[in-house]
Order: sequence, then C-alpha cells, then structure tokens
Amino acid sequence: GQSLEQPSEVTAVEGAIVQINCTYQTSGFYGLSWYQQHDGGAPTFLSYNALDGLEETGRFSSFLSRSDSYGYLLLQELQMKDSASYFCAVGKGSTLGRLYFGRGTQLTVWP
Amino acid sequence: DTAVSQTPKYLVTQMGNDKSIKCEQNLGHDTMYWYKQDSKKFLKIMFSYNNKELIINETVPNRFSPKSPDKAHLNLHINSLELGDSAVYFCASSLERGTGEQFFGPGTRLTVL
Repeated sequence: GQSLEQPSEVTAVEGAIVQINCTYQTSGFYGLSWYQQHDGGAPTFLSYNALDGLEETGRFSSFLSRSDSYGYLLLQELQMKDSASYFCAVGKGSTLGRLYFGRGTQLTVWP
Repeated sequence: DTAVSQTPKYLVTQMGNDKSIKCEQNLGHDTMYWYKQDSKKFLKIMFSYNNKELIINETVPNRFSPKSPDKAHLNLHINSLELGDSAVYFCASSLERGTGEQFFGPGTRLTVL
C-alpha cells in the first residue's frame, strides 16, 4: 500500500509565502505530483518531481527528496485566487499513470 | 474545445438503480482514468485504461464496470447503487506514464438517496 501525509489546513495573507509539506511511504515510487483544486472544480496539475531537487514554475515551486520520502510545494506572492485545496500524489512506476493522492491541504489566503 | 468532458454533471438517483457516466477526451491521450472523490475530498483512483485495455482496477466492487469503446472514451456503469456510492466521480486522461500530469474532467456529482 501507500500512505501520504500533508497538513489538513494552512492559512496565510496575500503576498506571503507558504510551504505545504508532503511525506509519503510507498513501494515502486516513480515521482511526486502536485494538484490544485478549487471548491466545486476539478483537480488541475501544478508540478511534478521525479528527481531530487527543486522545480520552479512561476510563483509555484516543488521540491523532492527521494531519500527522505519528502516533498513540498512552495507558493510565493500569494493571491486570493490561490485559496484552494492542494494535493500531493505519488506516481508508481510499474503501471501506467497510477497516482495515489494525499488527503489534501486546504489553503486559505486572507487579504 | 473542452479537453476532458463528462456527462452528466449531476446525477441524483435512488438506491438500487443502475446509472452510467460518460467521459470523452479530445487530447489524443492513450490512457484514461476514473477517480472517486468522497465528501472529505479524498481522491482515489478506481480504474485506468490504456488503449482500451484495463490496466488498473483498484479493488473496486464489481458493481462498477468501466467500458472503453475507443481510446477517446471511457464510460462508467454502476449497478445496484448504494448510499456509499454518493461522491464526485472524475474522469482523467494522460499522454504517457512518468510525467505525473493528468487532465481531469469537470466531475459528476452522484447522489444516491
């Protein structure tokens, strides 16, 4: 099986920086993905790390340490529209596209 | 223009009924998925198809039967609906494995009364 741990809630103010951590336990680990989901909406892909290190995409960055089974999503220059749920998901390599999601972190951005 | 579409968006039905949800993607992807998201937002993979072949079946009750008539379509049929089946069902697709990027449809909110 697999397990993922991420905080259930995070709050911050506009313009701030927030880090959402994700620790995982799984066999056949292939990579770590991050998804954003607004209330009533569909999950949308943010980033993916297969190798150790930092991936930067605009205001969002994602980090992976395979040896520590740990990753994080860093959101900079927070905006109100960033209020959403953020999910980390582990990809398992032996089977096409198998993603297992964490339970999500609800981010609330205050003005 | 819609990448991944699902119908219907809402489905309200009685226990014991049979219902279907349809999914289509126009992205040219080879792999499609069904996910179930419960009331606590837990998103769990149910099935995956690659080129019309079943790849993943995550110990889903056999009341759930996916069907892929071609690689652009993946439908989900549910027999003998139960209260616990109430959830949002998402269809998704991806181009290839190893990228971690999947494209999700808008979801179908199923309510079983």
